[in-house]
Amino acid sequence: GAVVSQHPSWVICKSGTSVKIECRSLDFQATTMFWYRQFPKQSLMLMATSNEGSKATYEQGVEKDKFLINHASLTLSTLTVTSAHPEDSSFYICSASKYQTGSEETQYFGPGTRLLVL
Amino acid sequence: GQQVMQIPQYQHVQEGEDFTTYCNSSTTLSNIQWYKQRPGGHPVFLIQLVKSGEVKKQKRLTFQFGEAKKNSSLHITATQTTDVGTYFCAGPVYNFNKFYFGSGTKLNVKP
Repeated sequence: GAVVSQHPSWVICKSGTSVKIECRSLDFQATTMFWYRQFPKQSLMLMATSNEGSKATYEQGVEKDKFLINHASLTLSTLTVTSAHPEDSSFYICSASKYQTGSEETQYFGPGTRLLVL
Repeated sequence: GQQVMQIPQYQHVQEGEDFTTYCNSSTTLSNIQWYKQRPGGHPVFLIQLVKSGEVKKQKRLTFQFGEAKKNSSLHITATQTTDVGTYFCAGPVYNFNKFYFGSGTKLNVKP
């Protein structure tokens, strides 16, 4: 199969702190990883697309300086929410695909990380 | 922006009734994928459709991709309580390395 893990699954932090979320493809090499955010009762909103070894491509309206994405290896991408505020509280989900384009390949989703900023 | 819409937003059915959700994109999709998300869970891949007019079946689920590759549907025959969840369509816009998710249809099945 194609398994993607995320860590941590839950995080509660104080406003102003930074939180790092890890996304790992456990049994395949992921040339492309996607980061999504999902608010309660809403759909998944694509935040950014991350290709190994290059800068992430952010969606319109997503602040790249606030949501730092690093995809340093073929099995690991990280999302750091810097100076988190209560409005950043959400469900963050990563997904990984095996091929560079991403468009012909299934995405495999991680279990998600629930972030609560107090 | 993301331009993949789904209808209906919610659907409540009695167990045994059929269910259909429709997905519409404002732009042509190179392929379309369907996912199911159970409450509190993460999206789980169901199927991918690639060809114009393609129809695929998985037991009680039937998936269709429109001729223009801008719309798709998921039909569930004789729903069961295990079908409860939110169904999302998702697809990449042509020549862009990104996926957009539909707004989702939440299905509730009454036993």
